Amino acid sequence: GEDVEQSLFLSVREGDSSVINCTYTDSSSTYLYWYKQEPGAGLQLLTYIFSNMDMKQDQRLTVLLNKKDKHLSLRIADTQTGDSAIYFCAEGGYQKVTFGTGTKLQVIP
Amino acid sequence: GAGVSQSPSNKVTEKGKDVELRCDPISGHTALYWYRQSLGQGLEFLIYFQGNSAPDKSGLPSDRFSAERTGGSVSTLTIQRTQQEDSAVYLCASSHTLEGFRETQYFGPGTRLLVL
Repeated sequence: GEDVEQSLFLSVREGDSSVINCTYTDSSSTYLYWYKQEPGAGLQLLTYIFSNMDMKQDQRLTVLLNKKDKHLSLRIADTQTGDSAIYFCAEGGYQKVTFGTGTKLQVIP
Repeated sequence: GAGVSQSPSNKVTEKGKDVELRCDPISGHTALYWYRQSLGQGLEFLIYFQGNSAPDKSGLPSDRFSAERTGGSVSTLTIQRTQQEDSAVYLCASSHTLEGFRETQYFGPGTRLLVL
């Protein structure tokens, strides 16, 4: 079945870059997503990438996809305290979207 | 425009009581999903509605859980005879679908359920 794995916790200093990694198992996934969940809030779609792309950049966010290794990463440049949240990786296509457990990003001032 | 809304935002109940959680999807979205997020866990799929088709209930953990979607819009998730392990955040999401393909999901803020 589908499985999405992420590390549970990441701590970075303000101004540094954050890299959140994700691995998935379903090679038929068409979309790979990154969601952000701030404390006490629902999930917010940050960005997504089609499976036929290697990279997508959106302001401070860079998504890298290695389809061969089924590895997805989210890089946040110049990390700010407002970036502190839980980041969920998700993969999906014609079947259900499967979410990872989320990575809690702590930004140290 | 308005996003997905859920109510109540918080619910505290006693073990054995029934609870109803409500979701208002984005207008025009034909697909609606319910997920559960337990402490330290990822999102657990519960149920999926698509238009007038029979819902995909494959994620419901027990027969105490049920959901309805009236008129293709608002949905209610009902948990009967609540147990302490039902305590979690229940998230609703909606999306467009094009010819059965599930597009990006937009999430509501969730309902935090605590069963004492």
